[in-house]
Amino acid sequence: TQLLEQSPQFLSIQEGENLTVYCNSSSVFSSLQWYRQEPGEGPVLLVTVVTGGEVKKLKRLTFQFGDARKDSSLHITAAQPGDTGLYLCAGEGGSRLTFGEGTQLTVNP
Amino acid sequence: ETGVTQTPRHLVMGMTNKKSLKCEQHLGHNAMYWYKQSAKKPLELMFVYSLEERVENNSVPSRFSPECPNSSHLFLHLHTLQPEDSALYLCASNLLGGDTDTQYFGPGTRLTVL
Repeated sequence: TQLLEQSPQFLSIQEGENLTVYCNSSSVFSSLQWYRQEPGEGPVLLVTVVTGGEVKKLKRLTFQFGDARKDSSLHITAAQPGDTGLYLCAGEGGSRLTFGEGTQLTVNP
Repeated sequence: ETGVTQTPRHLVMGMTNKKSLKCEQHLGHNAMYWYKQSAKKPLELMFVYSLEERVENNSVPSRFSPECPNSSHLFLHLHTLQPEDSALYLCASNLLGGDTDTQYFGPGTRLTVL
């Protein structure tokens, strides 16, 4: 069974701070996806990383896929209240997604 | 709007009721999924339909019964549920064999079983 562990589970910070969320597994994935889910909505895809060591930037968000394709990180620079939400990582293997538990991020104004 | 709609958005039912959840996708996708999202747990894949054929059933109790009449619609029929079945039920779809397998999620149905 493939498992993905996310840390921290909860994070509450002030507007303007930087943060990093981690997603770790003992399994290798063909790709890894990051989603953000807001209350009352389904998860929305932010990015997919495919190549080991790959770094992708989406405005203030930087995503990195580990060299061995077992782990990933999401770094947010100068967080804003609009970044508040549940951040989920999901590893793809055999056309199926395995999700982590998520990191609940709250950015206070 | 992701192109995947779910109804109802909220549902409260007793343990003896029968109800159905509906999912519809307008994206031309050929695969649809039901997930269960409970507090402090990872999303759990329940069922997968590919080209309207059920290809995966992850040991889900028989009180949950899926139906996929065509590639755009997916139902989850519920009967004699238990309080521990209360959760957010998410539908997703994607295009298998396309350039990307990205799954698009609906907003979910928040189910409460009394």
